[in-house]
Amino acid sequence: GAGVSQSPSNKVTEKGKDVELRCDPISGHTALYWYRQSLGQGLEFLIYFQGNSAPDKSGLPSDRFSAERTGGSVSTLTIQRTQQEDSAVYLCASSSQLAVSYNEQFFGPGTRLTVL
Amino acid sequence: GQNIDQPTEMTATEGAIVQINCTYQTSGFNGLFWYQQHAGEAPTFLSYNVLDGLEEKGRFSSFLSRSKGYSYLLLKELQMKDSASYLCAVNTGGFKTIFGAGTRLFVKA
Repeated sequence: GAGVSQSPSNKVTEKGKDVELRCDPISGHTALYWYRQSLGQGLEFLIYFQGNSAPDKSGLPSDRFSAERTGGSVSTLTIQRTQQEDSAVYLCASSSQLAVSYNEQFFGPGTRLTVL
Repeated sequence: GQNIDQPTEMTATEGAIVQINCTYQTSGFNGLFWYQQHAGEAPTFLSYNVLDGLEEKGRFSSFLSRSKGYSYLLLKELQMKDSASYLCAVNTGGFKTIFGAGTRLFVKA
């Protein structure tokens, strides 16, 4: 597709359930990022992928959060045993490797997760 | 630690000029970005600075001083559609990017 896509756009779940959020980056983009944004707040870094590997997972809030990327393309962010504090918009972005430092990120529309 | 500071909110008048400041203290620095985010939408790229100085792009300009850990975004000839949040972000190494909390700009008539 032309841009980054995410699914679902909205997800309402019950506390304790597992959820999977999907991100389809722009074709050919080697880097993929996951962020979390609570209402009225900035972006909280979660994890980024370079190809299929994740050099930095330091932003994942707890071991209930995991992410994978396969084939250098689609990524899935999984949250196990969801808690109410997990409610937020989860944003995915991708960037190409034009230069070592220049990584303009293209964002998807986000998945709004609500944990009841 | 990683720290990026921006004012929480600013208000300016249509047609005026506004400067949004950003200071950062990060473990590494590979460039600074500004993104614009309208309410309910995803962020979009505005500018990139990696060397000291001013980068101008139409009504928007961005300045960087690496020695001071300081950047600003300058918006000229403000329009109502410029009402949005402006996010300062630092590439701290590789592809890792840390975002500030954002500055919410209100443009009034």
